[in-house]
Amino acid sequence: AQKITQTQPGMFVQEKEAVTLDCTYDTSDQSYGLFWYKQPSSGEMIFLIYQGSYDEQNATEGRYSLNFQKARKSANLVISASQLGDSAMYFCAMREVASGGSNYKLTFGKGTLLTVNP
Amino acid sequence: GAGVSQSPRYKVAKRGQDVALRCDPISGHVSLFWYQQALGQGPEFLTYFQNEAQLDKSGLPSDRFFAERPEGSVSTLKIQRTQQEDSAVYLCASSLSRLQRGVNEQFFGPGTRLTVL
Repeated sequence: AQKITQTQPGMFVQEKEAVTLDCTYDTSDQSYGLFWYKQPSSGEMIFLIYQGSYDEQNATEGRYSLNFQKARKSANLVISASQLGDSAMYFCAMREVASGGSNYKLTFGKGTLLTVNP
Repeated sequence: GAGVSQSPRYKVAKRGQDVALRCDPISGHVSLFWYQQALGQGPEFLTYFQNEAQLDKSGLPSDRFFAERPEGSVSTLKIQRTQQEDSAVYLCASSLSRLQRGVNEQFFGPGTRLTVL
């Protein structure tokens, strides 16, 4: 079963406007972490923001915020005041607790390609 | 540099050749991960090391794939008898701690793009 679903293959936004990138997840664990990474055309994955399953407040990092709705199993990324440099692939990922507790690989969605128009 | 480095950045191999991909994690990072990213897809987990111990290799697609981290720092992913379906970007990531609490984010290298002809 797909664990991370990103339903928007591509999104367009005007410079200086806000955009929301959708992410839903599936897990039976109570403890897990949700991450967003940015991947520019250069290929490197850049960590943006993290939300722990027990965090009561939505995470924020500068222009990035995470709209965490635990009951709906969604963790949408909101980018405010978009900039041309925000054009990139964005991946939502989940870190689950594995047996033994020490393995914490990430499971990624298929990504959303964001294009910021001037 | 302070980040994760990988070499080579690009590798072209003829079908049937063996290849070795190198990863230099951030100094002091205990955990090291390898992921495979096919074109247009998200990265998929291959294997995980905690120091020199390979704790999970469940994502390796076949016994042609082998990874090692003998001294707990540099890691090598080896692919024997490469096939066309092995063409992908191979990403290495490291994180500071083995613990699952908190952010403990994974820092990724630039990847090695492997093309098998």
